[in-house]
Amino acid sequence: GQNIDQPTEMTATEGAIVQINCTYQTSGFNGLFWYQQHAGEAPTFLSYNVLDGLEEKGRFSSFLSRSKGYSYLLLKELQMKDSASYLCAVNPSNDYKLSFGAGTTVTVRA
Amino acid sequence: KAGVTQTPRYLIKTRGQQVTLSCSPISGHRSVSWYQQTPGQGLQFLFEYFSETQRNKGNFPGRFSGRQFSNSRSEMNVSTLELGDSALYLCASSLVAPGDEQYFGPGTRLTVT
Repeated sequence: GQNIDQPTEMTATEGAIVQINCTYQTSGFNGLFWYQQHAGEAPTFLSYNVLDGLEEKGRFSSFLSRSKGYSYLLLKELQMKDSASYLCAVNPSNDYKLSFGAGTTVTVRA
Repeated sequence: KAGVTQTPRYLIKTRGQQVTLSCSPISGHRSVSWYQQTPGQGLQFLFEYFSETQRNKGNFPGRFSGRQFSNSRSEMNVSTLELGDSALYLCASSLVAPGDEQYFGPGTRLTVT
């Protein structure tokens, strides 16, 4: 089976940095995705990692270590609009599906 | 181009009834996946279709079924509804496989009373 763990909730202050960790144990690995989901809305794509290392995209960065089964999403210069749920999803090899973690709810406070 | 569309957006049904949800993928996308989302459970994979063929199915009872048409539009059906089926049902499309970037529709909020 697939096991993907991420913290349930995190709170941070506007302008700060928050790091959301994701650990996974899957039958194979063919890439890891991060999605953002605002309350009542559909998930939207943030990042994709398939090789080890850091991918930076504006205020958001994502890191992957395949040997450790570990990824993190780094949100910098937090804004109120970043309050949302962040979903980690793994694409196991040749499985034609994504396996999602339960999501991390990030609350940004003024 | 238009995004993924799902109909209806909201639905209220009673136990024992059946329901059919519809999903139209982004033009050119041939892979359609369905997920159930409930508080605390995250997104649970239901099934994935490509070229009218189901390539993978999640751990849901046989009451949950789906299909895909030649134009890549997809439907899912839930028969003999139970209270626990109340959830947000999300459809996602991608070019040829879920490992490509998936684009999600707005979802159908199903309430079973």
